[in-house]
Amino acid sequence: QKEVEQDPGPLSVPEGAIVSLNCTYSNSAFQYFMWYRQYSRKGPELLMYTYSSGNKEDGRFTAQVDKSSKYISLFIRDSQPSDSATYLCAMSAGTALIFGKGTTLSVSS
Amino acid sequence: GAVVSQHPSRVICKSGTSVKIECRSLDFQATTMFWYRQFPKQSLMLMATSNEGSKATYEQGVEKDKFLINHASLTLSTLTVTSAHPEDSSFYICSARDVGQGIGEQYFGPGTRLTVT
Repeated sequence: QKEVEQDPGPLSVPEGAIVSLNCTYSNSAFQYFMWYRQYSRKGPELLMYTYSSGNKEDGRFTAQVDKSSKYISLFIRDSQPSDSATYLCAMSAGTALIFGKGTTLSVSS
Repeated sequence: GAVVSQHPSRVICKSGTSVKIECRSLDFQATTMFWYRQFPKQSLMLMATSNEGSKATYEQGVEKDKFLINHASLTLSTLTVTSAHPEDSSFYICSARDVGQGIGEQYFGPGTRLTVT
């Protein structure tokens, strides 16, 4: 079993939809949870960073962490075509980041 | 915001030659820099971690004699792929972190696409 599992998609939604992206993990030592957005042929951009269970909101983005289930989610409200990208979850026990494979999202206008 | 640049953005080289990739933090001092490799439709894989002024720490399976990393200043780290082969063709991405920032607060460069012919 890989340390971090993420469905690669692709995920296609119409503009305005609510998007749910998820990752599961197996290492209970992970304490830090991140979501990155990566456009084609570009480096990842940090979207959300949390280190506790619960929800964290930033604009249209909400990150959710459930440590008991070893499950994290990223919700995007009112999705826009500019949200079309690959979304990577990443986790850490304090040193290296372990990334998921990324989910490719396409938002159509 | 924190900006990290990489140069070159794209490089094509012949098998057996060496290629140097630069990673610079433009508006902060990067005490720690990370080098990742990403194959198509795969996740980022950490290759090595470098702290300014000290030797890089390589991940298991990464040949330190093949991927030479130098972090000589607080704003510059270089990755040299020595005697490159076609299987080294990949997208190489660096990230940088300032002192006091958490593990997740890494700022990534735009990446360098290496093609070895």
